[in-house]
Amino acid sequence: NAGVMQNPRHLVRRRGQEARLRCSPMKGHSHVYWYRQLPEEGLKFMVYLQKENIIDESGMPKERFSAEFPKEGPSILRIQQVVRGDSAAYFCASSPGLESYEQYFGPGTRLTVT
Amino acid sequence: DQQVKQNSPSLSVQEGRISILNCDYTNSMFDYFLWYKKYPAEGPTFLISISSIKDKNEDGRFTVFLNKSAKHLSLHIVPSQPGDSAVYFCAAQPARSGTYKYIFGTGTRLKVLA
Repeated sequence: NAGVMQNPRHLVRRRGQEARLRCSPMKGHSHVYWYRQLPEEGLKFMVYLQKENIIDESGMPKERFSAEFPKEGPSILRIQQVVRGDSAAYFCASSPGLESYEQYFGPGTRLTVT
Repeated sequence: DQQVKQNSPSLSVQEGRISILNCDYTNSMFDYFLWYKKYPAEGPTFLISISSIKDKNEDGRFTVFLNKSAKHLSLHIVPSQPGDSAVYFCAAQPARSGTYKYIFGTGTRLKVLA
């Protein structure tokens, strides 16, 4: 019974490149959340998606960041033209639906922008 | 604007004694609260939760207390064990608002001394 999978676990990008972070939710889970943790800070909500729908993107920066959760395949968090301030740990979480409040987190992707 | 606050960045406790971790919130729309434990280089792991209609919830060595009038919750771990050493995050969820995102505190690093 695999948990939430994230890949890659570590990603190094130069300034100006694109970063793509992938998240496969737990089996049977249709809700996905992305959070970002900057060094020495708590996790900050970015976006909440259901299959093919963005439900809440109130935590997403207005530019360069986008997220999707297609009908088939993993959820993708995409960061275009990365800057040093994007260096952080990005966590994905999933839940089965509205009947469950608990979210199950993946191990995270550590993005380093050089 | 930090809506969920954990004012103690760190806490040290002797093995076998009680650990008390505190969390304050400002938004009365929060109606579900959770505690997560996080080890380095891993994702947060769900520990225990409480609904705003309750004032206490127990699960083994872990008890969460909620004081709605004070907008305060606490996590008690008794007896504390060295394996409990981790960063603990409290999270709040405005479940009735239609979004299920978490608002996290900044975390408390617990060190249990053998």
